[in-house]
Amino acid sequence: KAGVTQTPRYLIKTRGQQVTLSCSPISGHRSVSWYQQTPGQGLQFLFEYFSETQRNKGNFPGRFSGRQFSNSRSEMNVSTLELGDSALYLCASSRRHEEGQGYREQYFGPGTRLTVT
Amino acid sequence: GNSVTQMEGPVTLSEEAFLTINCTYTATGYPSLFWYVQYPGEGLQLLLKATKADDKGSNKGFEATYRKETTSFHLEKGSVQVSDSAVYFCALSTLGWGAQKLVFGQGTRLTINP
Repeated sequence: KAGVTQTPRYLIKTRGQQVTLSCSPISGHRSVSWYQQTPGQGLQFLFEYFSETQRNKGNFPGRFSGRQFSNSRSEMNVSTLELGDSALYLCASSRRHEEGQGYREQYFGPGTRLTVT
Repeated sequence: GNSVTQMEGPVTLSEEAFLTINCTYTATGYPSLFWYVQYPGEGLQLLLKATKADDKGSNKGFEATYRKETTSFHLEKGSVQVSDSAVYFCALSTLGWGAQKLVFGQGTRLTINP
């Protein structure tokens, strides 16, 4: 069974540009969550999508957005990039079927390393 | 709000030494607790979990017990190997509606020398 895949694995952008990252969940998983990992702030929750709807959102500015498609694949977008957006962006999928069923184990992808210069 | 505090690293041990990585948490409600491990260049892997007080999670020789009275979930291993070198994260998630979200500690880098 294929794991969570993220593309691209590495990305270099300049300040002011925008970027789109992609995540393909494990087959059958309908929930996709995104996390940002930096040396200073550690791992922080960005948002979760389930059935093409954002279900949870972390404390990030509106420059960070995402969406989920009908096949459960998800993208996140960061507009007007800042140097502080340099990070490893991790995607995780889980087999949550209905809202309110409680926590389901999340499986993480290898991440996309974004460098903003 | 919910938070997780881990012992600061890095931690360096010799092979076959005993390992303890401390983790304490603050949470409303009744959280589930997790330890994740991250090897160089990879994403996170779930190492073990516990979903209620006094549960003991275990995997690959690692253990952690959910202690509600001390709000702790310390990770232990009796005899570490070089292959255990990685970064370890303690995390929690509160059960309930729309709670598909993990709150992580800062991570502890572990290096095992042969």
